[in-house]
Amino acid sequence: GAVVSQHPSRVICKSGTSVKIECRSLDFQATTMFWYRQFPKQSLMLMATSNEGSKATYEQGVEKDKFLINHASLTLSTLTVTSAHPEDSSFYICSASSLDMTTNEKLFFGSGTQLSVL
Amino acid sequence: QKEVEQNSGPLSVPEGAIASLNCTYSDRGSQSFFWYRQYSGKSPELIMFIYSNGDKEDGRFTAQLNKASQYVSLLIRDSQPSDSATYLCAVNFLNTGNQFYFGTGTSLTVIP
Repeated sequence: GAVVSQHPSRVICKSGTSVKIECRSLDFQATTMFWYRQFPKQSLMLMATSNEGSKATYEQGVEKDKFLINHASLTLSTLTVTSAHPEDSSFYICSASSLDMTTNEKLFFGSGTQLSVL
Repeated sequence: QKEVEQNSGPLSVPEGAIASLNCTYSDRGSQSFFWYRQYSGKSPELIMFIYSNGDKEDGRFTAQLNKASQYVSLLIRDSQPSDSATYLCAVNFLNTGNQFYFGTGTSLTVIP
């Protein structure tokens, strides 16, 4: 299957700092990338959907000024958590898909980033 | 509002038994359905997908889809301790392009 690389896998930061998470599709062009957040023992919560070259669409309740998403190319999307606070500590997962794909799998996940804000 | 619902569990079955996981969804304009398995601290991995009404079998896994009842299930035969994980149901709704919506997940424990 297609490969999505997500970095870093784990980050610990101080409250008030900003953290950038990268998501790259390595062997396909991702028409759309999704960012999810997952708290312990809870399901994936879709934060935003981004299409290359356009502004991300945020889900209700997700602050777009706090969670900055940039999808500058068909292989790279970044999520920046600005002025992170302890309540932002969570597991962040990106996924990518392509309308050009003929595979039935459709959605490919990165390995996730565990963010801990002290 | 599109919704995907699952029983959160936990569901416990003895080794070798059949585990049955259920999922309902709210929109009849749904296109495709996916079951993912997620181990703690890891990303979800695809187990099965199903598009058409009826059953689809892949090894020990069987997905069942009933669009009229807006119901999709996953059966795991001969359950193994390594099957212990959270299982996520996902629906790709027809009129939202590539957007996926996930259920809350069902925690499965297979007891040796």
